[in-house]
Amino acid sequence: DVQLEVSGGGLVQPGTSLTLACEGSGFNFGDHGMHWVRQSPGGGLEWVAGINWVSESIEYAGSVKGRFTISRDNSKGSLYLHMTSLRPEDTALYYCARDSSNYYSYVDFWGQGSLVTVSS
Amino acid sequence: QSVLTQPPSVSGAPGQRVTMSCTGSNSNIESGYDVQWYQQLPGTAPKLLISNNGRRPSGVPGRFSGSNSGTSASLAISGLQPEDEAEYYCQSYDHILGGFVFGTGTKVTVL
Repeated sequence: DVQLEVSGGGLVQPGTSLTLACEGSGFNFGDHGMHWVRQSPGGGLEWVAGINWVSESIEYAGSVKGRFTISRDNSKGSLYLHMTSLRPEDTALYYCARDSSNYYSYVDFWGQGSLVTVSS
Repeated sequence: QSVLTQPPSVSGAPGQRVTMSCTGSNSNIESGYDVQWYQQLPGTAPKLLISNNGRRPSGVPGRFSGSNSGTSASLAISGLQPEDEAEYYCQSYDHILGGFVFGTGTKVTVL
C-alpha cells in the first residue's frame, strides 16, 4: 500500500525554524513529483510547494516564498520542508502529497499530515 | 486565500442529485487547465475523487461525476448517500501564481 509518513511537526515560537520530513513507501518514490499542502485549523487547503522528480523544477506559493525550502532525497524515499521565519499564520496541518506524474499534474495520494503550531 | 470559488454548502436527501460549482479566472480554469476534485471526510486527509475534469480513479463510485465547461467546473453526486457527507475541494493550476490552487471548499450535508 502507498504510504506517506510525515514527521517533525510541533509547537514553535514565531521567528524560529522547523523542518518536516515525509517518508514514502509502497511506490517508486523517485518516479513522482511531490508537494506540500497545508490546512489551517477549520480552514481550507492551501498548496505550499512542489518539486519534480529530479529536483530540477521547484515552485512555491507566494505566502511562503523566500521562507520555506522544499527538497527531496530519492535514495531515501524522502521529501522535506525546511521552514524559517515562522509566523502564527503558518499554523496548520501540513500534508505530504504525491503527484500523479513525475512533474506537476495533480495530487493523487495524500499522507496523514503533521500539525505545526506557531505561537508564543 | 483561495483562488477558486465554490458554494459554501449544498444539501440533499438520500438518493437525490446535488451539484457544486468551481469558478476560477483566465489564469487558471479559463486558460484550459484541468480541474480535480477531492473529498475530505471529517478528521481525515483529502482523497482524489475526480481527475482531469471528469476521470474517476479506480474505486471511486460511479455516482460521482465531473465536468468542465471551460469557464467553470462542476461536481455532481447522483444518488446521494449518507457516507458522502464531507467537504469537497476543486483544484487546478494557475499560471500567474505559478502553482496549484484550491477552491474554497463545499460542505455537503445529507439530510
